[in-house]
Amino acid sequence: EAQVTQNPRYLITVTGKKLTVTCSQNMNHEYMSWYRQDPGLGLRQIYYSMNVEVTDKGDVPEGYKVSRKEKRNFPLILESPSPNQTSLYFCASSLVSGYEQFFGPGTRLTVL
Amino acid sequence: DAKTTQPNSMESNEEEPVHLPCNHSTISGTDYIHWYRQLPSQGPEYVIHGLTSNVNNRMASLAIAEDRKSSTLILHRATLRDAAVYYCIPGRGSTFGDGTTLTVKP
Repeated sequence: EAQVTQNPRYLITVTGKKLTVTCSQNMNHEYMSWYRQDPGLGLRQIYYSMNVEVTDKGDVPEGYKVSRKEKRNFPLILESPSPNQTSLYFCASSLVSGYEQFFGPGTRLTVL
Repeated sequence: DAKTTQPNSMESNEEEPVHLPCNHSTISGTDYIHWYRQLPSQGPEYVIHGLTSNVNNRMASLAIAEDRKSSTLILHRATLRDAAVYYCIPGRGSTFGDGTTLTVKP
């Protein structure tokens, strides 16, 4: 089944404790991206990747890192999480930029 | 990406058609118009996209104005499962606004 998977689905952590949210797709898509969704602010793009080893900042990249060492994986790294990064995070992939995006189920992160 | 204007909310009766409007007056000539929807507690899902001509697929139809400054997503027979937030996204499809919350009444 074609899908985008994210892990973990739920995470509660404390300020400053490094964490990684994994994202994997099995559709051989070149384009992958990360979004965060907050009440009243909609979905905002954090980072995106046009292909392996190519990543770019989205609209709200501060406090986040990403890497794209393999085509299928696009982890989101929070080196020192802060409470304002409490949010619902979605990973998405598409064949190429501008095409239909497939979204993962979301990761709900709480930073205390 | 171009800015969009969508109504905050709309209501429909089950099995009736629904027309969801979107204004994107600053769209550039090469921007596609994407529509996604987000069901409660789920990630967004693709609905349809188009450039200039009207488009149809199994989920919906997309009517694009001749000047491309607006478009309308058409659900031909709304069902309770169509209750969701609908997003209109011009450009490369990465800037989601607030969307329109569609309520479907039985």
